[in-house]
Amino acid sequence: QQQVKQSPQSLIVQKGGISIINCAYENTAFDYFPWYQQFPGKGPALLIAIRPDVSEKKEGRFTISFNKSAKQFSLHIMDSQPGDSATYFCAASDSSYKLIFGSGTRLLVRP
Amino acid sequence: DGGITQSPKYLFRKEGQNVTLSCEQNLNHDAMYWYRQDPGQGLRLIYYSQIVNDFQKGDIAEGYSVSREKKESFPLTVTSAQKNPTAFYLCASKRDPSGANVLTFGAGSRLTVL
Repeated sequence: QQQVKQSPQSLIVQKGGISIINCAYENTAFDYFPWYQQFPGKGPALLIAIRPDVSEKKEGRFTISFNKSAKQFSLHIMDSQPGDSATYFCAASDSSYKLIFGSGTRLLVRP
Repeated sequence: DGGITQSPKYLFRKEGQNVTLSCEQNLNHDAMYWYRQDPGQGLRLIYYSQIVNDFQKGDIAEGYSVSREKKESFPLTVTSAQKNPTAFYLCASKRDPSGANVLTFGAGSRLTVL
């Protein structure tokens, strides 16, 4: 029940296309859903986050869509750029100390 | 600039040796964390500390030890009891242990056991 399942494991998108990464969870106590971006050899950095009281949050080209009834959330990257090539992690937490991370998606945006 | 410094960036160890990874933060954050990253497995929590002189086991604490003698420092020791220690280790911190889980990560330390 503590797991966060992320798919796909890897994704190749042409420049200008839309990248979509999906996550699903079971624990209904989760109330915070961040996405982290990690470049090779670096630590992850917070990209965007959402709470379940909204169904969508947009920051520039990055959008989180949240479906509370299905217990799913997704990251959409519009107009994907080669500089977006990185590993993306979804995560979830409840009111406790702990973030549960998905297994990661390696995104490659081809020029 | 405030941030988290991890050292060394790369470390090689022979089997049977203990090694200590350093993590220092100047963000004045109360909570600090150690994660292990393996390909295809995401980030798994090893240990965390919410205040000085206190720390708790995470999901995969076996074969690891930590200390929190100072607010800014949270070193991780990988002991010889850790059966598969080759991995990328990430230190993170959070301002308020009970607040929103916005973690700040260091750049990581890559440990290879020869």
